[in-house]
Amino acid sequence: QSVLTQPPSASGTPGQRVTISCSGRSSNIGTKTVHWYQQLPGTAPKLLIYSSNQRPSGVPDRFSGSKSGTSASLAISGLQSEDEADYYCAAWDDSLNGVVFGGGTKLTVL
Amino acid sequence: EVQLLESGGGLVQPGGSLRLSCAVSGFTFSSDAMSWVRQAPGKGLEWVSGISGSGGNTYYADSVKGRFTISRDNSRNTLYLQMNSLRAEDTAVYYCAKKMTSGSYANCDYWGQGTLVTVSS
Repeated sequence: QSVLTQPPSASGTPGQRVTISCSGRSSNIGTKTVHWYQQLPGTAPKLLIYSSNQRPSGVPDRFSGSKSGTSASLAISGLQSEDEADYYCAAWDDSLNGVVFGGGTKLTVL
Repeated sequence: EVQLLESGGGLVQPGGSLRLSCAVSGFTFSSDAMSWVRQAPGKGLEWVSGISGSGGNTYYADSVKGRFTISRDNSRNTLYLQMNSLRAEDTAVYYCAKKMTSGSYANCDYWGQGTLVTVSS
């Protein structure tokens, strides 16, 4: 059972907009920034969004993040086949004094 | 170009020990905190441990506290994870990751390719 809660799966068709949610508590998302990672099959995770809504250099602006209260969301617009991957949210947790991850969401492009 | 290269993984018996290494290049190693993150086969990501740039501050997940020790040698640009009293549930790919200059240990901008640790008799 992960500390941060994500839906196990999501799907969409090419060109569509999809969102992935991440729910936490006051000790993590409620008071800390959220970060999102994309993991393509057989590869290491890649930072997609940091500080809740910032994109690292090279990440397309199709990817965006937001946070409200103890929840966060990752939105992907103009869905492409290469977006098919696992997506994870992460945050520091003050109660655990460590990093917590969501269980991951497998995105399928239909 | 930033590069992180893990090594030291392999097959070990339950109760055994293993030391992972992560050799880095392309950035000022001593300036940046580092983390180890693992992924059991077919499962999600789990943060294991973090260490500050100087090595003076260390953090551990409850699941490994007292068994694993994170350390670094800034003169050798290398991060380590000493793993003792290994259990079957420690079987995973272990990634080293560089923390971004700003933000928490949850914010890692570069990752290695991972090294597989298998704990089995």
